[in-house]
Amino acid sequence: GAGVSQSPSNKVTEKGKDVELRCDPISGHTALYWYRQRLGQGLEFLIYFQGNSAPDKSGLPSDRFSAERTGESVSTLTIQRTQQEDSAVYLCASSLGGRGLASYEQYFGPGTRLTVT
Amino acid sequence: QKEVEQNSGPLSVPEGAIASLNCTYSDRGSQSFFWYRQYSGKSPELIMSIYSNGDKEDGRFTAQLNKASQYVSLLIRDSQPSDSATYLCAVDAGGTSYGKLTFGQGTILTVHP
Repeated sequence: GAGVSQSPSNKVTEKGKDVELRCDPISGHTALYWYRQRLGQGLEFLIYFQGNSAPDKSGLPSDRFSAERTGESVSTLTIQRTQQEDSAVYLCASSLGGRGLASYEQYFGPGTRLTVT
Repeated sequence: QKEVEQNSGPLSVPEGAIASLNCTYSDRGSQSFFWYRQYSGKSPELIMSIYSNGDKEDGRFTAQLNKASQYVSLLIRDSQPSDSATYLCAVDAGGTSYGKLTFGQGTILTVHP
């Protein structure tokens, strides 16, 4: 079946502009996660959705970052007034959700490479 | 703060050898443990999950879990150059985390011919 998809695959933007990144999870997956990975660094958790609600926004670096999810499907991550330190690969993952152990198995999309000039 | 620790490497092994990757975690409440493989420039790919103490084998991969020691490992038998990648250990955050994973920084594995 189809995996997690993300768009765009690459985005170059000027400092100060707003950007929107999109994630389409695996069909039937109720949980969705956003991560950031700077060059040569580990995965940095940003936000988690269970259905349409976001019980954990603890990783959002600043109020310039926001995310929403509608209809238990597509999610968008918005970065306002981009800064050069926002340059990174933004990864989306989805999982079945719920309480079973297998619900934690996260499957990643290909990522969006964001470059802020 | 809940932590997952891995040796960053690089770990270099000859083709055909066994590669052993290790990971320790701090949260005794964690119940789900994963290994991801990440090739350079690509996104992480789930290769193993383990939930119970002991060994779990899948092809050339064996995951080992020891909850008492808070230790999880990945063995790759008959290592191939195509196994060269960064291997990420991930652990559920436990409690009411509802599926949130904490990732280690990853171990770089190089398999040389």
